[in-house]
Amino acid sequence: DTGVSQDPRHKITKRGQNVTFRCDPISEHNRLYWYRQTLGQGPEFLTYFQNEAQLEKSRLLSDRFSAERPKGSFSTLEIQRTEQGDSAMYLCASTGLVNEQFFGPGTRLTVL
Amino acid sequence: AQTVTQSQPEMSVQEAETVTLSCTYDTSESDYYLFWYKQPPSRQMILVIRQEAYKQQNATENRFSVNFQKAAKSFSLKISDSQLGDAAMYFCAYRVEGGATNKLIFGTGTLLAVQP
Repeated sequence: DTGVSQDPRHKITKRGQNVTFRCDPISEHNRLYWYRQTLGQGPEFLTYFQNEAQLEKSRLLSDRFSAERPKGSFSTLEIQRTEQGDSAMYLCASTGLVNEQFFGPGTRLTVL
Repeated sequence: AQTVTQSQPEMSVQEAETVTLSCTYDTSESDYYLFWYKQPPSRQMILVIRQEAYKQQNATENRFSVNFQKAAKSFSLKISDSQLGDAAMYFCAYRVEGGATNKLIFGTGTLLAVQP
């Protein structure tokens, strides 16, 4: 399967714990996006990477959130001191020359 | 700020019938793209159809077609000969052409049920 993959698919954590999610984009795609989707809502943009450079961060991305894409390949999204309001589906998407965004299956986070 | 509005939280259609999902958007840009994405239950989002704003001709992809009204900022999706596999959440999305990030702006979605 050469699509976008995300790990883990589900994460249950207690409030105050740190969590980290991983996204592996399609191999030749140099652009990578993180979105957050809460119940009953459409995905909302969080952050964007072109290769290893993080070029835009949404105001939704509080100081507790950090994202990296160290070698321009996979990306990680870390949430520190999780809160119940962080419970959501975290989606990753990648795009190459064609500019169509291909989405991964998402990581569903539940904060107890 | 760009916004996308889907006013139908849920829709239902009989198998083999036609259904239209509505979407309106607001933007001051002249060059942009519009999309319909499908998100089946517990499965990843896939692109159904896209429309470039500079094209007057409505996009079609097999049983899926759009009615793009640029002046009215309306972008509806028509699904013909509905199939059980069409049941999903459908999101309308927008992105500006030539922007720095090409991030997508989504509506709140329409949950489509297909009745056998």
